[in-house]
Amino acid sequence: EPEVTQTPSHQVTQMGQEVILRCVPISNHLYFYWYRQILGQKVEFLVSFYNNEISEKSEIFDDQFSVERPDGSNFTLKIRSTKLEDSAMYFCASHPGGGPGNTIYFGEGSWLTVV
Amino acid sequence: AQTVTQSQPEMSVQEAETVTLSCTYDTSESDYYLFWYKQPPSRQMILVIRQEAYKQQNATENRFSVNFQKAAKSFSLKISDSQLGDAAMYFCAYRSGSKYGNKLVFGAGTILRVKS
Repeated sequence: EPEVTQTPSHQVTQMGQEVILRCVPISNHLYFYWYRQILGQKVEFLVSFYNNEISEKSEIFDDQFSVERPDGSNFTLKIRSTKLEDSAMYFCASHPGGGPGNTIYFGEGSWLTVV
Repeated sequence: AQTVTQSQPEMSVQEAETVTLSCTYDTSESDYYLFWYKQPPSRQMILVIRQEAYKQQNATENRFSVNFQKAAKSFSLKISDSQLGDAAMYFCAYRSGSKYGNKLVFGAGTILRVKS
């Protein structure tokens, strides 16, 4: 079964450093998402991306964050000047289109630890 | 904005027995979808079951079924013949049907423990 893949699975970074989390969505999917889950808390929406542009973003997704689909396969989340509170699991997800009832598929997550 | 509430932070069930996880949601929309996702210790999010709001019939997937009460805005998950592998965090999620790319809105989750 096709799957969403994410790298790295775990990254430790110094506060203030930039981090790039990478995702390869399922081929032919049209919608891409990033979600965040702080340890022990709910999964929170960050941003959705369609047709090479952001279609929706949450209040969390401020100027510190950016997304890019540089080559038609990868979908990246960049976090500039990381803060301690950015420590979380970051999930990439993709959706095939064809209706909102279709499944959104999640990757296994990238665990970011900011020290 | 839509909200999803899971009032049970943690539940326990004996192996082979049945457990029901609760979920309520708030929306003014008539077209939407509801989901239950399972998150095992590996942290991956796995779709368990899906319900279309326009369908009155409750969805079922093998040992998993839902009780969808649209008027009450309630969407509970029943797990029958519980197995050790069912132990996980379960998230209820809402998705608007108004456009294709809509995000999922998650509840806070319920930790399910299965006792042998």
